[in-house]
Amino acid sequence: SQTIHQWPATLVQPVGSPLSLECTVEGTSNPNLYWYRQAAGRGLQLLFYSVGIGQISSEVPQNLSASRPQDRQFILSSKKLLLSDSGFYLCAWSGGLAGGEQYFGPGTRLTVT
Amino acid sequence: KQEVTQIPAALSVPEGENLVLNCSFTDSAIYNLQWFRQDPGKGLTSLLLIQSSQREQTSGRLNASLDKSSGRSTLYIAASQPGDSATYLCAVRVYGNKLVFGAGTILRVKS
Repeated sequence: SQTIHQWPATLVQPVGSPLSLECTVEGTSNPNLYWYRQAAGRGLQLLFYSVGIGQISSEVPQNLSASRPQDRQFILSSKKLLLSDSGFYLCAWSGGLAGGEQYFGPGTRLTVT
Repeated sequence: KQEVTQIPAALSVPEGENLVLNCSFTDSAIYNLQWFRQDPGKGLTSLLLIQSSQREQTSGRLNASLDKSSGRSTLYIAASQPGDSATYLCAVRVYGNKLVFGAGTILRVKS
C-alpha cells in the first residue's frame, strides 16, 4: 500500500532563517506531487505541483520554492522566512490520471517567530 | 476561475441525527469531486471520490452526490456519532491535476 511521509511534524523558526520541509511517498512510482498551505482561518491553497523529476509548477508568487530531486521526494524550501509563511503545510500525491484521488500526508506545522 | 463554497460554515447536532453538508462550485468543467475529513492538527483523510460522470458514491454511513451541471454536491451523514466531529472539506479537481478547496464545514456531534 502507498504511504506518504512528511517531516518535521512541527517547526519553529525565526524570521529570516532558511526552511526545508521534506515529503516522501512509498509504494507507488511516478506520482504527481503537491504542496499545499493551510493558514489559520483560511482554506487550503495549492503552492506547487510536480508531474515528474525536476518538473515544478508554481501556483502563487511567494517566498517559497519547491524541488523534486527524486521520483518520490518533494522538498519545500525558503531562503529567508517571513512571518506570513506560518501555517500548516501539507504534501499530497495522486496517480498520473486526471481522475485520480489525492492522498495527503500528516502535515508540518510551521511557526515563524 | 473556479471557486468552491461550503455551507454551512459550522454545524452542531445531537448524536444520531442525519445531516447534510453542501458544496457548490462555479465552473462545471471538473474531472472529479472529493470529500475529505480533517481532524484538528492533522492531515486530510479522503472520504469519497466522485468522478465527473458519476452521480453518487457511498461508503458506510456516508453518501455523496454530484450534480455537475448545477455545480453542486452534498455529503450525507447518517446516524451521526461524536466520532464524526471534524472539519469536512470539499474539493474539485480541475485542469492541470489541481484541487480547488472550499473553506470547510466544522461539524460537532454532541453526545
